[in-house]
Amino acid sequence: EVQLVESGGGLVQPGGSLRLSCAASGFIFSNYWMTWVRQAPGKGLEWVANIKQDGNEKYYVGSLKGRVTISRDNARNSLYLQVNSLRAEDAAVYYCARITYYYVGATYEVPGIDYWGQGTLVTVSS
Amino acid sequence: DIQMTQSPSSLSASVGDRVTITCRASQNIKNYVNWYQHKPGKAPKLLIYAASSLQSGVPSRLSGSGSGTDFALTISSLQPEDFATYYCQQTYGALEWTFGQGTKVEIK
Repeated sequence: EVQLVESGGGLVQPGGSLRLSCAASGFIFSNYWMTWVRQAPGKGLEWVANIKQDGNEKYYVGSLKGRVTISRDNARNSLYLQVNSLRAEDAAVYYCARITYYYVGATYEVPGIDYWGQGTLVTVSS
Repeated sequence: DIQMTQSPSSLSASVGDRVTITCRASQNIKNYVNWYQHKPGKAPKLLIYAASSLQSGVPSRLSGSGSGTDFALTISSLQPEDFATYYCQQTYGALEWTFGQGTKVEIK
């Protein structure tokens, strides 16, 4: 059974930093792109970042570039998200999730997020 | 970056109703669209990938359609467990993905 368990959330002061972790199990972690998605209170889902299987390709949402770093440790089956210079608008539930590429007509692949963790809550307040 | 405009933002419907949610992309994204269901306190759930393919285990009363810039999620006969918030998502190109604003489906 695929399981993704986030940790590391909590209360952080504005300007502070946080490192979120995600422990993966039930699948071959090193075979999959992984992603972070967040949801601020009362708002919709927002894609944050993707990382390739070997960690050598990373993509970020424009609004967070320079403040966030996605990384992974395939030996530990773990995904991470470092967020710096936290602002009130960064308060959210942060979800770790797995990306699967679906074949379409055997000619190309469309990525989708097929497994999600339960999320970890980040609160930013003084 | 590609914007996804989802509508309506909310709707009220009864059990058994046919419901359609739409998403419009700001540029041609072929069929790089997925749909998710999200209930409070739960992890989001993938329903449809590649615009029209049903994810394993998802009931057949749900369907997706569209290509290019216009996409739709249809629930043919709304069931009690379908009351939730639904999101479209574009995954065209690796650089930046985006979700629609969400549609909350409520009981009339």
